Amino acid sequence: GAVVSQHPSWVICKSGTSVKIECRSLDFQATTMFWYRQFPKQSLMLMATSNEGSKATYEQGVEKDKFLINHASLTLSTLTVTSAHPEDSSFYICSAHPLYGTGSYEQYFGPGTRLTVT
Amino acid sequence: SQKIEQNSEALNIQEGKTATLTCNYTNYSPAYLQWYRQDPGRGPVFLLLIRENEKEKRKERLKVTFDTTLKQSLFHITASQPADSATYLCALDNTDKLIFGTGTRLQVFP
Repeated sequence: GAVVSQHPSWVICKSGTSVKIECRSLDFQATTMFWYRQFPKQSLMLMATSNEGSKATYEQGVEKDKFLINHASLTLSTLTVTSAHPEDSSFYICSAHPLYGTGSYEQYFGPGTRLTVT
Repeated sequence: SQKIEQNSEALNIQEGKTATLTCNYTNYSPAYLQWYRQDPGRGPVFLLLIRENEKEKRKERLKVTFDTTLKQSLFHITASQPADSATYLCALDNTDKLIFGTGTRLQVFP
C-alpha cells in the first residue's frame, strides 16, 4: 500500500513553454502533498506544501507565479512550471502523507519527474 | 542558522561489514527523525522513524539511534550487502514539514 505515482516520468520542453506534472496517491487519500526539487548530487529541497481545497504554501525563494500548484482532490496534486527556462531543469518529486494513518509521519514519495528545458 | 549535515558525501565498505552513517543537526528541535533510501533517478523510500523520546529503533538489519542532547542520529546497516548501495537521507520534522540532510552515498563492494 501507500503508492504515489507521478506523470510524466521525464519531459523535455522548449524554453518559454509550460509543463504540468501530476502527482497521484493511488491507494490512500492525502489532504497534504509536498513538492520537492532535487539538483544533481544535492538533497531534496522543499518547494511547496499543497493543501487540498486551498492555496499552496510556498517556501521562501520559490516563485508562486512560476510554479503553480493545484490540489483539486484528495488523490491528485499538479505542479505547473510556467515559462520554463533551462535553470528550471531538475528532478521534481512529490510526496504525500496518508489522511488516515497509524499515527506515524513517514511520507510516501513518487518516482520523480526529470524535467529538461532546452 | 539551521543545518542538517550527514557525515560524508560517500562511504565505501566491504560486504558483510556494518555501515554507520551520521546525521547531525543544529538549531532544530525535532519531535522525530526519519531515514530514507534513494536510488539514482528514483524518489526516496521510507526506512525508519525514531521519536525524540526513543533512544534506539531496529528493523531487520537496520538500527537507528537518536541522541537529542548531541543532536545526532546514527544509522547502522549490519551485514551489509551490495544491494544496500544507495544514497541514504536523514530528515527531521520542522513545523509539519520534512527537512532533508545532504545525504550519504553508500557503496558496498564484494
